[in-house]
Amino acid sequence: SQQGEEDPQALSIQEGENATMNCSYKTSINNLQWYRQNSGRGLVHLILIRSNEREKHSGRLRVTLDTSKKSSSLLITASRAADTASYFCATDGGPSGTYKYIFGTGTRLKVLA
Amino acid sequence: DAGVIQSPRHEVTEMGQEVTLRCKPISGHDYLFWYRQTMMRGLELLIYFNNNVPIDDSGMPEDRFSAKMPNASFSTLKIQPSEPRDSAVYFCASSREQGRIGELFFGEGSRLTVL
Repeated sequence: SQQGEEDPQALSIQEGENATMNCSYKTSINNLQWYRQNSGRGLVHLILIRSNEREKHSGRLRVTLDTSKKSSSLLITASRAADTASYFCATDGGPSGTYKYIFGTGTRLKVLA
Repeated sequence: DAGVIQSPRHEVTEMGQEVTLRCKPISGHDYLFWYRQTMMRGLELLIYFNNNVPIDDSGMPEDRFSAKMPNASFSTLKIQPSEPRDSAVYFCASSREQGRIGELFFGEGSRLTVL
């Protein structure tokens, strides 16, 4: 069963705009991660946020985590055509399964040049 | 580092045949994961190992699926007999407990088509 659900399923924006993707999950977690997948490739880790953190930045990426709402968001600022990819959140199993990483359904982002 | 290496990258086989997918994790990583990705079901965790020992195989869909990790540098996922509904991209990922805890390193995947 999938732990995370991303929203929206697909997003199309112009280059230079910001892209926001949301992830909701069901059970308690130790950390939440975001991954990127280019078409036909494997997933690549972007950023990890721990359950005791509320916000984290990495370059043009900003991730927020609200454990009370069991949700996270990924913001990509000043998007580029090269950001076109699918983005997934992944949650661990919390206290009972730290390494049981479950992925959400993904958001397909298309950045138009 | 060479990254996680999977083989074959593409496999086309007929229903009923045995399929073996292979994975070489990153050296020093002590966790290994097998995922399956389809349009309908997304990314599903099939099984994961810690120090070559299977920890959770609750995602393995049927007895037709089996996974082994005979040593720290090699794992296989076997489907016998294969069925058309097994068509998917199968990913292997590895991770290590120390350092950057939790980050999974994925291979490029094995795309399986069962006719």
